[in-house]
Amino acid sequence: AQTVTQSQPEMSVQEAETVTLSCTYDTSENNYYLFWYKQPPSRQMILVIRQEAYKQQNATENRFSVNFQKAAKSFSLKISDSQLGDTAMYFCAFMKPRLTGANSKLTFGKGITLSVRP
Amino acid sequence: DVKVTQSSRYLVKRTGEKVFLECVQDMDHENMFWYRQDPGLGLRLIYFSYDVKMKEKGDIPEGYSVSREKKERFSLILESASTNQTSMYLCASSLGGAIREQYFGPGTRLTVT
Repeated sequence: AQTVTQSQPEMSVQEAETVTLSCTYDTSENNYYLFWYKQPPSRQMILVIRQEAYKQQNATENRFSVNFQKAAKSFSLKISDSQLGDTAMYFCAFMKPRLTGANSKLTFGKGITLSVRP
Repeated sequence: DVKVTQSSRYLVKRTGEKVFLECVQDMDHENMFWYRQDPGLGLRLIYFSYDVKMKEKGDIPEGYSVSREKKERFSLILESASTNQTSMYLCASSLGGAIREQYFGPGTRLTVT
């Protein structure tokens, strides 16, 4: 079974600065996908970024980028130029694709609460 | 935009009651999911469905059942609510296929007293 570990329960960053959220995972699979989801206070969870394990290039979405270290089983999220709207809970998630049939399941970490200070 | 709605934002029920949580998506998604979110535990999958009338157990199905009679609607049923089922319940949906983004509803905060 896969496990996802987010060891930091909370972090705080000054507006406009850069912050990195850590995530490690454990799997024996070679082909898988990794995700970061964001859950703002009292709002719906949304996908921030995803990474395919077979791609060496780190994924980037505007101010959000990942540092994917496959050998170390590490998948950290970097938020540049932090904004007040980035205040949220962030979840790291793992997915092992199925060959056929139903959509593969997501395994989530426990989440980290990020606060952006004005 | 994909819209996933849940019937209630807040719900208070008594121990032993039968509880229905409803989820509706408007994008013709094949897959639908029910998660439970608890502080310090993250999200845990209860059940998911990949087609009408088809379901599969997640990681913590005990004490829950589900129903999917129509493609757009996925119900989570607590046959006899207990206090340890007090939690935030999140519904999600996605297109069919191996790797698809999941779209989440706003959540239902259920309190069982």
